[in-house]
Amino acid sequence: AQSVTQLDSQVPVFEEAPVELRCNYSSSVSVYLFWYVQYPNQGLQLLLKYLSGSTLVESINGFEAEFNKSQTSFHLRKPSVHISDTAEYFCAVTSHGSGNTGKLIFGQGTTLQVKP
Amino acid sequence: DAGVTQSPTHLIKTRGQQVTLRCSPISGHKSVSWYQQVLGQGPQFIFQYYEKEERGRGNFPDRFSARQFPNYSSELNVNALLLGDSALYLCASSLSPSNTEAFFGQGTRLTVV
Repeated sequence: AQSVTQLDSQVPVFEEAPVELRCNYSSSVSVYLFWYVQYPNQGLQLLLKYLSGSTLVESINGFEAEFNKSQTSFHLRKPSVHISDTAEYFCAVTSHGSGNTGKLIFGQGTTLQVKP
Repeated sequence: DAGVTQSPTHLIKTRGQQVTLRCSPISGHKSVSWYQQVLGQGPQFIFQYYEKEERGRGNFPDRFSARQFPNYSSELNVNALLLGDSALYLCASSLSPSNTEAFFGQGTRLTVV
């Protein structure tokens, strides 16, 4: 069984400040890791994913996340946030290998509130 | 190109009624998954269909059912609605179940009164 814990339900931050959204996971098998973003009244958009290779993955809008296997973490970071980054962020995992069904297990979400 | 489309966008039903939600995947995608997102929580997996067959089911009661059609579109049915079924229902499509690129629709907001 897999589970995902997002350690902060809300993260308020001022514009142009750095931010880190924390995610820890638990799994007995190897996993793929994802961050999704959800803007108000919209569906989920994939922000970035870790499948294999370099443990540091980046998105096109300046976010990055680092897979840490020993700490079972996949924290999301951005060095300088914008007002437009205000949204709900979800960390998710799915198993890979022969047991992969594509079923995503999501965390509870973190609300990023960027203040001017 | 059209993304994943869901209909209706909003729905209000009374307790005990039945509801059908619809999803059209991205062209070429053969796998459709359904998720329930209760306010303030992360999405919970309900079903996955691939090539018209159920490939996975989450921990939901039998009141929830789904099917996939030959054109790969899908319907989610919920019978005997409860107040607790009020949620955003999300559909996701991918090329196949093992494909890691899942695309989500805007969702259907169901309110049970």
